[in-house]
Amino acid sequence: AQSVTQLGSHVSVSEGALVLLRCNYSSSVPPYLFWYVQYPNQGLQLLLKYTTGATLVKGINGFEAEFKKSETSFHLTKPSAHMSDAAEYFCAVSDMNSGYSTLTFGKGTMLLVSP
Amino acid sequence: SAVISQKPSRDICQRGTSLTIQCQVDSQVTMMFWYRQQPGQSLTLIATANQGSEATYESGFVIDKFPISRPNLTFSTLTVSNMSPEDSSIYLCSVEARTSGMGEQFFGPGTRLTVL
Repeated sequence: AQSVTQLGSHVSVSEGALVLLRCNYSSSVPPYLFWYVQYPNQGLQLLLKYTTGATLVKGINGFEAEFKKSETSFHLTKPSAHMSDAAEYFCAVSDMNSGYSTLTFGKGTMLLVSP
Repeated sequence: SAVISQKPSRDICQRGTSLTIQCQVDSQVTMMFWYRQQPGQSLTLIATANQGSEATYESGFVIDKFPISRPNLTFSTLTVSNMSPEDSSIYLCSVEARTSGMGEQFFGPGTRLTVL
């Protein structure tokens, strides 16, 4: 079975600072990996995904993530944090079950951005 | 992408009662998924609903507690039965992206349930 570990339940940064949210996965097959963001009182929105090909993937709102197979990692970064980035971020891995895919989520990381 | 709506957006219910949550998608989809997000926690898959067949439940979730209907390709309901305060959570439905085949899902806004 797949699993996802997100290091740090909370990450605090100052506005303009680098954002780094960590995600490690375990998978018995080449994984499909996702980052979702959840703003307060809203559903989940896809930030970016890795399926195949280029290991550095770019998403919305200036976020990007790099798939590193040797480290089983898929860390999320953004060069300069904005106040509007404050939200909860979930890393997820796709698992194939009987012909369809399900998602296994990490526990989430709350990003706090201070002025 | 798919546009997904849920009703109700939130509710406060009494212990022992049941609540049915509706999920509507603006396009036809094969699979719909129901998740629970307990306070301060991640998402846990409750069940997968395929149109025309019984839902497939994950370990720890049973049909008697969380009956699901999937009458057509754009709609599903989840009922939370005989509720207790431990059922207080956000319940989200999602669908798999039609052209993905790789697990990408689109999520509804969620139903925030409080059980007193």
